[in-house]
Amino acid sequence: AQSVSQHNHHVILSEAASLELGCNYSYGGTVNLFWYVQYPGQHLQLLLKYFSGDPLVKGIKGFEAEFIKSKFSFNLRKPSVQWSDTAEYFCAVKNSWGKLQFGAGTQVVVTP
Amino acid sequence: ETGVTQTPRHLVMGMTNKKSLKCEQHLGHNAMYWYKQSAKKPLELMFVYNFKEQTENNSVPSRFSPECPNSSHLFLHLHTLQPEDSALYLCASSQANTPGTEEGTQYFGPGTRLLVL
Repeated sequence: AQSVSQHNHHVILSEAASLELGCNYSYGGTVNLFWYVQYPGQHLQLLLKYFSGDPLVKGIKGFEAEFIKSKFSFNLRKPSVQWSDTAEYFCAVKNSWGKLQFGAGTQVVVTP
Repeated sequence: ETGVTQTPRHLVMGMTNKKSLKCEQHLGHNAMYWYKQSAKKPLELMFVYNFKEQTENNSVPSRFSPECPNSSHLFLHLHTLQPEDSALYLCASSQANTPGTEEGTQYFGPGTRLLVL
């Protein structure tokens, strides 16, 4: 069965620190990959997505993610976080049948 | 604002009540979804509708009953729920669920926070 794993449930870091959130999936076929973000009290928003082409994708608010097919990974990165990046981050994988599956989420807290 | 609205935003109900959640999308999409978001668990897909037809029911108990009268509206009718059904219920929409295309990107509403007493 397809699964999506996010390595960390909670991450606490200071402003200006670099952030990397891990995401691995188990599915051997063609996938589409997403990162969604949920700010406190707000709805789930699309941060970035990968469908094809350059495996390094850039999203909103300075985030980027790299698809490494051989490692079944799609890690999210931001070089320098801000307090406003405090949120929960969800990795999601859509398989070739169109089913979207989410990871459990990573709660990120950025301290001033 | 993603173009997907949900009402009510908060709902408290007893186990014998009947209530309905409403979702409306203004994006011209033709696929709609219900998800359940519980604390510390991945989002759980409940139902999928493509062009008003239900195409997926993810083993959801019958006390949850979806309805999709048209491509812009989706309802979730609730009846005799249990306390463990308390969660955030999210609606999403996308273009038709065509695998491998960007048309299938899902956009989410703000959710309905449900508490079952």
